[in-house]
Amino acid sequence: ETAVFQTPNYHVTQVGNEVSFNCKQTLGHDTMYWYKQDSKKLLKIMFSYNNKQLIVNETVPRRFSPQSSDKAHLNLRIKSVEPEDSAVYLCASSAGLGGSAETLYFGSGTRLTVL
Amino acid sequence: QQQVRQSPQSLTVWEGETTILNCSYEDSTFDYFPWYRQFPGKSPALLIAISLVSNKKEDGRFTIFFNKREKKLSLHITDSQPGDSATYFCAASPSSGSWQLIFGSGTQLTVMP
Repeated sequence: ETAVFQTPNYHVTQVGNEVSFNCKQTLGHDTMYWYKQDSKKLLKIMFSYNNKQLIVNETVPRRFSPQSSDKAHLNLRIKSVEPEDSAVYLCASSAGLGGSAETLYFGSGTRLTVL
Repeated sequence: QQQVRQSPQSLTVWEGETTILNCSYEDSTFDYFPWYRQFPGKSPALLIAISLVSNKKEDGRFTIFFNKREKKLSLHITDSQPGDSATYFCAASPSSGSWQLIFGSGTQLTVMP
């Protein structure tokens, strides 16, 4: 049963445009994440956010930014997309405040194609 | 620098065989090692996990064997089924938190009937 909801499922855009992806979790979890999965299925964390702190992977380009209104929502904004941003973006949540042994629950993903 | 390595990259076995997926890591601060499974077109989901305090973790047909000295893990799937066909990710997390969870590159498993 899906409990981490992502919209849209797919998005096609052109280089330089701004895009925004939405994520909502109904699990009552305290921490949310954004991951990028590339064409080789490699999973890399981009952001981790709970009500105490936002942690940013230092390798993430500054055109990416997370946006949160409350602990159930964590959106992802890309200010000016580049071709290398084409990937599947996965939102996830975990129950605690980011301890090491937490289970991640993933959404169904948003596939971005940059032309 | 890839901190969590998986092998093989892809593997095909026959139904009923035992599948062995390998994983190794470098960082001594890692203390939690989950395996996630991703079916085609779906998102990853936790399959089984082990921590530093254990050498073995079993859940039905799935068993993790952990060699801490060599920093190696393996996931064994006994009586492999076509429904096990998926990509298996080994991951590792340090005590500092799940935001540093590092995924391996995955092993794509195909089980032939």
